[in-house]
Amino acid sequence: QQQVKQSPQSLIVQKGGISIINCAYENTAFDYFPWYQQFPGKGPALLIAIRPDVSEKKEGRFTISFNKSAKQFSLHIMDSQPGDSATYFCAASTPSNAGGTSYGKLTFGQGTILTVHP
Amino acid sequence: ETGVTQTPRHLVMGMTNKKSLKCEQHLGHNAMYWYKQSAKKPLELMFVYSLEERVENNSVPSRFSPECPNSSHLFLHLHTLQPEDSALYLCASSQDGHRANSPLHFGNGTRLTVT
Repeated sequence: QQQVKQSPQSLIVQKGGISIINCAYENTAFDYFPWYQQFPGKGPALLIAIRPDVSEKKEGRFTISFNKSAKQFSLHIMDSQPGDSATYFCAASTPSNAGGTSYGKLTFGQGTILTVHP
Repeated sequence: ETGVTQTPRHLVMGMTNKKSLKCEQHLGHNAMYWYKQSAKKPLELMFVYSLEERVENNSVPSRFSPECPNSSHLFLHLHTLQPEDSALYLCASSQDGHRANSPLHFGNGTRLTVT
């Protein structure tokens, strides 16, 4: 129930095309859904995030679509560029409690390797 | 120096060695994390420290031992590792570890190979 399932594992898109990565979850306690971008040799970095009371969030060429009833959310990259080539991770967060202390616990998807050809 | 810095970047160790990974954050955050990243698997949370107190030990074998001497530094002490422990170990920090929507800031990781 704590899993976040991400697809596809890899994606190849031509420059200028739309890249779409999908994630699904089961735990209805998740209340924050970030996407992280990771370039080779670097750690993941927050790209964009959404809360479940919003159906869509757009930042530049990146858009998150969120479907609460279906428990699915997706990342759309418009006008994909070679510089977008990276691994993308969806994640879901919920408050957790350990030893009487609350903290935000992130559960990550398996990652999608995006390659944008020039 | 800004952000989250991890050293060393690469580490090769035998199964009988003892080594330590170091993480330092320059962001003034109050929570620090260790994650394990293996190929084609989700990032696995290992340990969480909030205000220097360990709040999560995610069923990690005792051959991994974390230490958080202050809010800026985090160590992962390694001993008697197995080849399957070879992975990228990522350190992260967040401004407020109590909030689920507090973004994580990751370091660039230590690539560990156990021979």
